[in-house]
Amino acid sequence: EIVLTQSPGTLSLSPGERATLSCRASQSVSSSYLAWYQQKPGQAPRLLIYGASSRATGIPDRFSGSGSGTDFTLTISRLEPEDFAVYYCQQYGSSPRAFGQGTKVEIK
Amino acid sequence: QVQLVQSGAEVKKPGSSVKVSCKASGGTFSSYTISWVRQAPGQGLEWMGRIIPILGIANYAQKFQGRVTITADKSTSTAYMELSSLRSEDTAVYYCARGSSGWYLHWGQGTLVTVSS
Repeated sequence: EIVLTQSPGTLSLSPGERATLSCRASQSVSSSYLAWYQQKPGQAPRLLIYGASSRATGIPDRFSGSGSGTDFTLTISRLEPEDFAVYYCQQYGSSPRAFGQGTKVEIK
Repeated sequence: QVQLVQSGAEVKKPGSSVKVSCKASGGTFSSYTISWVRQAPGQGLEWMGRIIPILGIANYAQKFQGRVTITADKSTSTAYMELSSLRSEDTAVYYCARGSSGWYLHWGQGTLVTVSS
């Protein structure tokens, strides 16, 4: 069973700054089957990235994903006010699927 | 336009069971998997299991084995998640999500299940 560990737990940044979120897997994630989601309070998660680096439909290009094997990164190039939220990674290369514990991006 | 509409909030006693539904519209129900993900108050997302409606095959996270049953009714495009032997730690929002190749583009609105005596 793959365990995903996200860091940092909380990221305090100002609008316009760059955010770099990490997701580390306990075993290699096959074929880069890793996704990223954004969740705001009271809402369901929203898919941002799949296949480690492919943006979902309608996702702004300030969001980008990279990585392979056990180390993955979500980068938000310039934070907009609406980007302050919690972000989760998820692996779907093996069962059971698993989510990381989340990184909260908060306004500094 | 794909939509997943879940049943309403539930309040249950410890030791009882709850069954949450997830009705899909738009797209072809049987062509995708339906997964269930829960989120305890203030906590992260936890994958519970999934079903492949076209095959009727479900698989579950080890943590929930023996306590959760996921089923699907192709005739009504509805998936169900039943969780038994409820305890207070099962208080959470339960989401269904449609998987295409493993990621989840479409989510239900969530169903709050409260377990309290």
